[in-house]
Amino acid sequence: AQSVTQPDIHITVSEGASLELRCNYSYGATPYLFWYVQSPGQGLQLLLKYFSGDTLVQGIKGFEAEFKRSQSSFNLRKPSVHWSDAAEYFCAVGASGNTGKLIFGQGTTLQVKP
Amino acid sequence: SQTIHQWPATLVQPVGSPLSLECTVEGTSNPNLYWYRQAAGRGLQLLFYSVGIGQISSEVPQNLSASRPQDRQFILSSKKLLLSDSGFYLCAWSRTSFSEKLFFGSGTQLSVL
Repeated sequence: AQSVTQPDIHITVSEGASLELRCNYSYGATPYLFWYVQSPGQGLQLLLKYFSGDTLVQGIKGFEAEFKRSQSSFNLRKPSVHWSDAAEYFCAVGASGNTGKLIFGQGTTLQVKP
Repeated sequence: SQTIHQWPATLVQPVGSPLSLECTVEGTSNPNLYWYRQAAGRGLQLLFYSVGIGQISSEVPQNLSASRPQDRQFILSSKKLLLSDSGFYLCAWSRTSFSEKLFFGSGTQLSVL
């Protein structure tokens, strides 16, 4: 069965510092991978996705993620964090079949210190 | 352009009362529709999904049910709410093809007291 693990429940970084949020997945075939961001009390917004091709994916708001098949990982990175990046981040993997179901990780809460 | 509407934004209900949350999508046809729940301090859990009118798949056994009476309408219901039903409920849609981007509604914060 597909699963997603985000090992870090909470991360605090200083504004301007670099960021890496970890995501590991379990999936039998080539996965569809996503990163979503959720601001407090809001729905989720897609940051970026990986389907195939170049393993380094660029997203919105200056985020990028790298798919590493050998490590079953899809870590999210940003070179310089802004205070507005404080939010909850979810990694997700596309489930098998054509239903469009996504399996989400538990989420990582990002706090940004001034 | 496509939009998704979800209401109400917040809801406080007593234990044992019924529930009806509604979600509608505009600007697209035959979408896949989903209900997710986000319990406090936890990730997103898929509750139901639907690939067409009257077609509902349940992902976890629970006190809730879902219905899709129209192509772009998805309703989450309960006959008698439990304390454990409290959480943040998100409706979402995607196109009917392979796993693809989900478009989320703004969510409903449900508190069962």
